[in-house]
Amino acid sequence: EAGVVQSPRYKIIEKKQPVAFWCNPISGHNTLYWYRQNLGQGPELLIRYENEEAVDDSQLPKDRFSAERLKGVDSTLKIQPAELGDSAVYLCASSLGEGAEEKLFFGSGTQLSVL
Amino acid sequence: AQSVAQPEDQVNVAEGNPLTVKCTYSVSGNPYLFWYVQYPNRGLQFLLKYITGDNLVKGSYGFEAEFNKSQTSFHLKKPSALVSDSALYFCAVIAWDSSYKLIFGSGTRLLVRP
Repeated sequence: EAGVVQSPRYKIIEKKQPVAFWCNPISGHNTLYWYRQNLGQGPELLIRYENEEAVDDSQLPKDRFSAERLKGVDSTLKIQPAELGDSAVYLCASSLGEGAEEKLFFGSGTQLSVL
Repeated sequence: AQSVAQPEDQVNVAEGNPLTVKCTYSVSGNPYLFWYVQYPNRGLQFLLKYITGDNLVKGSYGFEAEFNKSQTSFHLKKPSALVSDSALYFCAVIAWDSSYKLIFGSGTRLLVRP
């Protein structure tokens, strides 16, 4: 069974440019998460989807970040415009159910460098 | 504030020796606790969780964790370390407000020397 797939694996952009990350969760997983992991820190939740509904986006900087999960499967996270402080690893995860006790399956992440 | 702390940036242990990676938490209500491991260039992998029941939880790759309510701790343990256990370990706790959110600690790097 394929795991959570993310692309691209690496992205280098100049500040003020837009960037997008793509995630394909494990088939059948209803809940999808986007996390940001800064160097030397643990992941921090940006947004959580249950099917196609964003049920928690309180940590998403809405002035420059946006996300969508069309048809409740794949998801895209966008930053426009990117800032130097956005350099981090962006992780996508999915879980089968919607409960807090569910274990998360993570992708390998997209490492973003903003110059 | 609801949080989780991993007081050690790095833990060094010789292969074959027991290992402990420490975690303490602060949450309102009953804690849901997790351990995840991150190998180089790979995503985080679930190791184990405590929701309710026995205080000693067994997980993947021979790891176990002990929930201690009085000390608000959830330390990760393994009786005999392997070089292949060398990785970054994250403790995490569910924080409850209007919804739920998984909060990760800052991680502890485990280095097992041959």
